Amino acid sequence: LAKTTQPISMDSYEGQEVNITCSHNNIATNDYITWYQQFPSQGPRFIIQGYKTKVTNEVASLFIPADRKSSTLSLPRVSLSDTAVYYCLVGPAYSGAGSYQLTFGKGTKLSVIP
Amino acid sequence: DTGVSQNPRHKITKRGQNVTFRCDPISEHNRLYWYRQTLGQGPEFLTYFQNEAQLEKSRLLSDRFSAERPKGSFSTLEIQRTEQGDSAMYLCAIRRSETDTQYFGPGTRLTVL
Repeated sequence: LAKTTQPISMDSYEGQEVNITCSHNNIATNDYITWYQQFPSQGPRFIIQGYKTKVTNEVASLFIPADRKSSTLSLPRVSLSDTAVYYCLVGPAYSGAGSYQLTFGKGTKLSVIP
Repeated sequence: DTGVSQNPRHKITKRGQNVTFRCDPISEHNRLYWYRQTLGQGPEFLTYFQNEAQLEKSRLLSDRFSAERPKGSFSTLEIQRTEQGDSAMYLCAIRRSETDTQYFGPGTRLTVL
């Protein structure tokens, strides 16, 4: 599985856009990039997934350059409730066979400041 | 609501005791996963069920750990002879189909004294 590198922590003020970058130099051709969010004392929650270019949903945007060696999760106008740990995962497409176990790193702890 | 409940939410036990955690998907999902998460780390995969069959268990941390899913619905994770190093959050996740991601329950936090 491709190894991911992301900042350990980030701080942001309320209302600002936050961009969290993840490096995955050894991403494989059939790997997807997935981001999860985790609040204290809760299980991780799926945010967004993409393969290339840009993906946007009601929560976030995911930017993936052509070489796919990195990706950026963008959270628009964060609020205090966005304070959480954000995990970048790289692995085979979820539609594949097999156990599809998720491999998490340490994630990025985002602190939103009033 | 992720459609997964876990009980108990918190468990405090003394070293050497056995503990059992339960995971209940709200509706039937044939794929069920267990993860462990220690402080400051991301979740770590333990085992996986497809229906009642345990298809991956090589990542269980030791032979003190076992999991069951007797009727392909709820699942239990048991730790025998607990050690202080077993203190962690134990998470259950489901996957609705091969074209879906995983949805996690709230977890059971275990503290071994």
